[in-house]
Amino acid sequence: QSVLTQPPSVSAAPGQKVTISCSGSSSNIGNNYVSWYQQLPGTAPKLLIYENNKRPSGIPDRFSGSKSGTSATLGITGLQTGDEADYYCGTWDSSLSATVFGGGTKLTVL
Amino acid sequence: EVQLVESGGGLVQPGGSLRLSCAASGFTFSSYWMSWVRQAPGKGLEWVANIKQDGSEKYYVDSVKGRFTISRDNAKNSLYLQMNSLRAEDTAVYYCARGDSGSYKGKDDYWGQGTLVTVSS
Repeated sequence: QSVLTQPPSVSAAPGQKVTISCSGSSSNIGNNYVSWYQQLPGTAPKLLIYENNKRPSGIPDRFSGSKSGTSATLGITGLQTGDEADYYCGTWDSSLSATVFGGGTKLTVL
Repeated sequence: EVQLVESGGGLVQPGGSLRLSCAASGFTFSSYWMSWVRQAPGKGLEWVANIKQDGSEKYYVDSVKGRFTISRDNAKNSLYLQMNSLRAEDTAVYYCARGDSGSYKGKDDYWGQGTLVTVSS
């Protein structure tokens, strides 16, 4: 059981938009920055979003992040088949003194 | 170019020990938090431990406290994970990741390719 809750799967058609939610509590998302990672099949995770809504260089602006209270959301617009991957949210949990991840969301681009 | 290369994985019996290493290059290693994150076969990511730039702060997931030790050698640009009393549930790919510079904000921006640890008799 993950500390952060994500939907197990989401799907959408190419070109469409999808959002992935990440729900936590005041000890983690509510008072710390959220990061998002993309893991393509058979590869290491890749940072997509950090500090709630910032993109590392090289990450297209099709990817966006937001945070409100104890929840965070990853948005992906203009979906491409190459976006099919597992997506994870992560943050520091001040009560646990530990980094915590969501269980991951599998994105299918139909 | 930032590179993180893990090594030291392999097959070990329950109760055994293993030491993972992560060789870093392409950045000032001593300026960054570093982390170990693992992924059991077919499962999600699980953060294992992280360590501050000078090694003065270390944090662990509850399931490895007292068994695993994270350390670093800034002169050798290397990160380590000493794993003792290994259990079957420690079987996973172990990733080394670069954290924040300055204070820790939960960002791991570069990851190695991972090294597989299998705990089995």
